Amino acid sequence: ETGVTQSPTHLIKTRGQQVTLRCSSQSGHNTVSWYQQALGQGPQFIFQYYREEENGRGNFPPRFSGLQFPNYSSELNVNALELDDSALYLCASSPAGGGLNTEAFFGQGTRLTVV
Amino acid sequence: AQSVTQPDIHITVSEGASLELRCNYSYGATPYLFWYVQSPGQGLQLLLKYFSGDTLVQGIKGFEAEFKRSQSSFNLRKPSVHWSDAAEYFCAVRNTGFQKLVFGTGTRLLVSP
Repeated sequence: ETGVTQSPTHLIKTRGQQVTLRCSSQSGHNTVSWYQQALGQGPQFIFQYYREEENGRGNFPPRFSGLQFPNYSSELNVNALELDDSALYLCASSPAGGGLNTEAFFGQGTRLTVV
Repeated sequence: AQSVTQPDIHITVSEGASLELRCNYSYGATPYLFWYVQSPGQGLQLLLKYFSGDTLVQGIKGFEAEFKRSQSSFNLRKPSVHWSDAAEYFCAVRNTGFQKLVFGTGTRLLVSP
């Protein structure tokens, strides 16, 4: 059973650019959530995807968008990067729509630095 | 709205001593509660979870936590800390029907020889 994998592990972008981060969910998991973890902070929920549809969103602007594919893998896209977008981006997968008595399994994260 | 408070930013414990990390939550109904551990530059590993039932839950690596509804707390404990336990610890809460986790700001554990 493979775990949650994220790519790339590190990324440096320039302010104003766009970035795409990728996540492969754990085998059998159909729900993917994305979190942003700024330095010294706890992770903040960005959004969740279930069956290729956005299924909930945190307090992030529309320039943060995502996709989920038929194989349940997911992408996080961020447009018009700002310096404050520098953070560790974590992907988490869970089974069965993320409902009752399920838990999220996290990947190792993508460290994004915006300069 | 759900929220989690971890009042201790840093804690230093001697190796072999006991540990208790505090977590208080705010949530209107019975929450799902979690403790995660994060090593530097790494993702989050689940230590233990509370969904329902017995209020004392056992986790991996010798950790346990006790859910106290009257105090809105879910404190993490370990009877004897090892140097490898040095890491950042996050308490999190979510509701029963949706996978959005709300995290505290974390407690950094330092283990002294």
